[in-house]
Amino acid sequence: EVQLVQSGAEVKKPGESLKISCKGSGYSFTSYWVGWVRQMPGKGLEWMGIIWPGDSDTRYSPSFQGQVTISADKSISTAYLQWSSLKASDTAMYYCARQRSATVTIFDYWGQGTLVTVSS
Amino acid sequence: DIQMTQSPSSLSASVGDRVTITCRASQGISNSLAWYQQKPGKAPKLLLYAASRLESGVPSRFSGSGSGTDYTLTISSLQPEDSATYYCQQYYGSPRTFGQGTKLEIK
Repeated sequence: EVQLVQSGAEVKKPGESLKISCKGSGYSFTSYWVGWVRQMPGKGLEWMGIIWPGDSDTRYSPSFQGQVTISADKSISTAYLQWSSLKASDTAMYYCARQRSATVTIFDYWGQGTLVTVSS
Repeated sequence: DIQMTQSPSSLSASVGDRVTITCRASQGISNSLAWYQQKPGKAPKLLLYAASRLESGVPSRFSGSGSGTDYTLTISSLQPEDSATYYCQQYYGSPRTFGQGTKLEIK
């Protein structure tokens, strides 16, 4: 069974750093792109970027380029999303998801989400 | 970026009704369109892709159609468990973009 299990909720202060994780199982982690999607409170879904865990090739949405870093550790089948300096506007639910293939670039399996709250 | 506009933003319908949600792209996307269902507090779930291909395990009352810039999601006979927010997503251009969502309520 394909599963993506994300790390738990985080409460941080503005300016702090953060790295959240997404562990894949039940499939070959290095054979599928893994992406991140943001959902701000009460709002819709925003595609942030994707990573190929095999070689860490990464693609970002221009809206998120330079604001976050996506990485992966293929040895432990885990992808990461990190911030070096959080802002209140980073408060959101973050989902990781598996991309079906290189040609059908939809997300077919999703993690349960990680809620990030940034507040002073 | 390709802008995706859904209509309506919300709707209320009764069990057994036929429901249609529309998604319009700002440019042609060659049927590179997916639909997701999201229930409160849950991750989105893939329903259809390639505009009309039903994901495995999704009930056949869900269907999709369209071409060019205009696409629809249809629920042929609404069930109580279909209460959710529905999102379209284009995967033709980069970055991938979602519609703003359509909240479906059961009367």
